[in-house]
Amino acid sequence: DAMVIQNPRYQVTQFGKPVTLSCSQTLNHNVMYWYQQKSSQAPKLLFHYYDKDFNNEADTPDNFQSRRPNTSFCFLDIRSPGLGDAAMYLCATSRDRALNEQFFGPGTRLTVL
Amino acid sequence: AQRVTQPEKLLSVFKGAPVELKCNYSYSGSPELFWYVQYSRQRLQLLLRHISRESIKGFTADLNKGETSFHLKKPFAQEEDSAMYYCALSSTGRRALTFGSGTRLQVQP
Repeated sequence: DAMVIQNPRYQVTQFGKPVTLSCSQTLNHNVMYWYQQKSSQAPKLLFHYYDKDFNNEADTPDNFQSRRPNTSFCFLDIRSPGLGDAAMYLCATSRDRALNEQFFGPGTRLTVL
Repeated sequence: AQRVTQPEKLLSVFKGAPVELKCNYSYSGSPELFWYVQYSRQRLQLLLRHISRESIKGFTADLNKGETSFHLKKPFAQEEDSAMYYCALSSTGRRALTFGSGTRLQVQP
């Protein structure tokens, strides 16, 4: 089945130790998104790629970076994780415009020790 | 700035009772509204969008621009409707979604 895959599903890292989360898609969608969701809160958009065009949200900390080496893959890099970065990280894709349905991955739960 | 508010964290009803999940938004332009749902141990998925004017799994939602609301309704709740429901907004030309904080619907037998 065409889908959005996130690896790993659970990630534990130490305070300050860089970590990379992975997302891949078989839908051939142009747009890929990264959301952060903390407990009992709304998913919050960090950034998105429209094809190779990177779009950062104004309030996304510099600690968060992203790479999209090709259409299928997108990575979230956290350079120096803090305790406040512990959250569920959701990857999503859409074909093009916002009217298109967004397809979500299962998420990666990040724990920072 | 755009904002989506879901005032209820938890809504508990009995099977067969009507359901209304509230969603209010603030946005100065013409919004596009969505409801997403997350069933237990499943990923977030689209339930319905206002532009389609469709009924999915018995749920409907009408955009009320005067009241800036997009409440989700179902006349007779089923146990399988138990899930987390998120209202989301997309502004003109913007590809991303602004989500509300979600309402957990519990349908009791």
